[in-house]
Amino acid sequence: DAKTTQPTSMDCAEGRAANLPCNHSTISGNEYVYWYRQIHSQGPQYIIHGLKNNETNEMASLIITEDRKSSTLILPHATLRDTAVYYCIVRVFSSGSARQLTFGSGTQLTVLP
Amino acid sequence: DGGITQSPKYLFRKEGQNVTLSCEQNLNHDAMYWYRQDPGQGLRLIYYSQIVNDFQKGDIAEGYSVSREKKESFPLTVTSAQKNPTAFYLCASSAGLVYNEQFFGPGTRLTVL
Repeated sequence: DAKTTQPTSMDCAEGRAANLPCNHSTISGNEYVYWYRQIHSQGPQYIIHGLKNNETNEMASLIITEDRKSSTLILPHATLRDTAVYYCIVRVFSSGSARQLTFGSGTQLTVLP
Repeated sequence: DGGITQSPKYLFRKEGQNVTLSCEQNLNHDAMYWYRQDPGQGLRLIYYSQIVNDFQKGDIAEGYSVSREKKESFPLTVTSAQKNPTAFYLCASSAGLVYNEQFFGPGTRLTVL
């Protein structure tokens, strides 16, 4: 799995968009970008994933650069409940065997009132 | 509602005792996982199971045991052989073809006294 680099922490004002960056310069052609988050003392929560096209769901949007070396997770209208550690993971889309998820240090997002 | 449940949420045990953590899912997922998380750290895989009656060791299986007698259940036993069992334990599951999208339970915080 390709290595990812994320800022340690970020703040965002409530109601504003939160943009969380992730660098993955060694990503290979068959690796996807996945985002999870973990609210304090809870289990991680899947947010979104993508290969090369931008993706959007009810939780967030994922913007992947054309060279796929970096991506940005966008929470369009951050709320206090979005305060969590956000993890960017790059890995092959697995369809043959169960594999563990490897979470790095992630970005601590704090949404301020 | 579909999801993963873990019980209990908090567990205390005396040193030298075995303890079993429960994990149940009603998502009809084939694969299930047990992770351990220590304060400020990422997740480490203990055991995983791809199908009923089959399971594999993860990176830190020593001192733990599991069973998978039913598709919806994957209990974890922390034995007295585990040297440092105090941690946050997370159970997860994933569907047959989308293994990277794992759904997590709320976790069990085990404290050894």
